[in-house]
Amino acid sequence: EDKVVQSPLSLVVHEGDTVTLNCSYEVTNFRSLLWYKQEKKAPTFLFMLTSSGIEKKSGRLSSILDKKELFSILNITATQTGDSAVYLCAVALPFYNQGGKLIFGQGTELSVKP
Amino acid sequence: EADIYQTPRYLVIGTGKKITLECSQTMGHDKMYWYQQDPGMELHLIHYSYGVNSTEKGDLSSESTVSRIRTEHFPLTLESARPSHTSQYLCASSEGGSGPPSEKLFFGSGTQLSVL
Repeated sequence: EDKVVQSPLSLVVHEGDTVTLNCSYEVTNFRSLLWYKQEKKAPTFLFMLTSSGIEKKSGRLSSILDKKELFSILNITATQTGDSAVYLCAVALPFYNQGGKLIFGQGTELSVKP
Repeated sequence: EADIYQTPRYLVIGTGKKITLECSQTMGHDKMYWYQQDPGMELHLIHYSYGVNSTEKGDLSSESTVSRIRTEHFPLTLESARPSHTSQYLCASSEGGSGPPSEKLFFGSGTQLSVL
């Protein structure tokens, strides 16, 4: 059974801290790994990773994928209260035999205190 | 900014009622999806459509049905709501044209359904 596991499930930090969110996966076929930020209700896209070892970066957020060990991390440096959200990891399956569907993890709920 | 809209945002209804959750997007995306999410749990795909007049069931069994008569509109219907249907329902769309769907999904703000 395809699955995505995120850790920790919740995290409380103070502004200025650096956090690392983890995502491990077990899937029969892999197309890409994605990170989304869910504030209130609507998830918004952060990163898509397809190759091992290539860091994707956007401002204070960065992410990297290890396809050998089947995991990804999302780093947030100098956290701000606006970073408080649920961070979702998802793995996209190939289109040719699994319709390109996304398998989501449970999410990590990050709370940044002033 | 994503242009995908869901109505209503919140819905509280009694058991046995028929309901339709609306989802519309103005981005011209061929691919559309319905996900169900319970608190602290994963998003589960319940329906998807890769174009007009094309609908498929997702991985999570659902008693709901969908239709795709127009590109921009993907409503979800429950013929007879039950308390077990209480959940959040998220609609999403993606690019891809006639090819594979893009993994970058644009989500609506969701409908929180409570069935009493």
